[in-house]
Amino acid sequence: GIQVEQSPPDLILQEGANSTLRCNFSDSVNNLQWFHQNPWGQLINLFYIPSGTKQNGRLSATTVATERYSLLYISSSQTTDSGVYFCAVDLINTDKLIFGTGTRLQVFP
Amino acid sequence: DGGITQSPKYLFRKEGQNVTLSCEQNLNHDAMYWYRQDPGQGLRLIYYSQIVNDFQKGDIAEGYSVSREKKESFPLTVTSAQKNPTAFYLCASSIQGTTGKNIQYFGAGTRLSVL
Repeated sequence: GIQVEQSPPDLILQEGANSTLRCNFSDSVNNLQWFHQNPWGQLINLFYIPSGTKQNGRLSATTVATERYSLLYISSSQTTDSGVYFCAVDLINTDKLIFGTGTRLQVFP
Repeated sequence: DGGITQSPKYLFRKEGQNVTLSCEQNLNHDAMYWYRQDPGQGLRLIYYSQIVNDFQKGDIAEGYSVSREKKESFPLTVTSAQKNPTAFYLCASSIQGTTGKNIQYFGAGTRLSVL
């Protein structure tokens, strides 16, 4: 089956720093989403981004579908950015999301 | 407010007992999903349903059962056959229809522990 791998697995930042999270996938996909899971477990949609680039405030994402990867950029990080970031891919002709391994981000003041 | 409501937030199961986790959505979404998350891990799909009165097994369906009698509701039963049920359970829904976009929205989750 498809493999969805994220890097780095863990990231520790000081407030104000920038970071880039990566998601690699091993097969062609229908779409890709980025989620943030806060420390209480709630998953929040960040981006639906099968291809191209999108920006939302301090966050932006780029997916290069032909090269099977996506990047999530966090600029000027804040302590509220802490949590786990997941990418998830939707295979062609299926209705199932396959989640990546996650990147755990800790932002310290 | 529109959204996905999971209850209870915390649940304890005795050995040999079946327990049911509730998931309700008022988003008018067609599809609903149940995931299991173990500590430090990603999400794994248990069951999903694209339409009322129909559902499919996910990757780890053994020891679980579901029903979809109403569009708004997709309860998950953790049966006694599930030998390691302690986990965080997340319910999601998505509207697909003709857009083909499987954008999933999640409830706040239920933490299940075994006594």
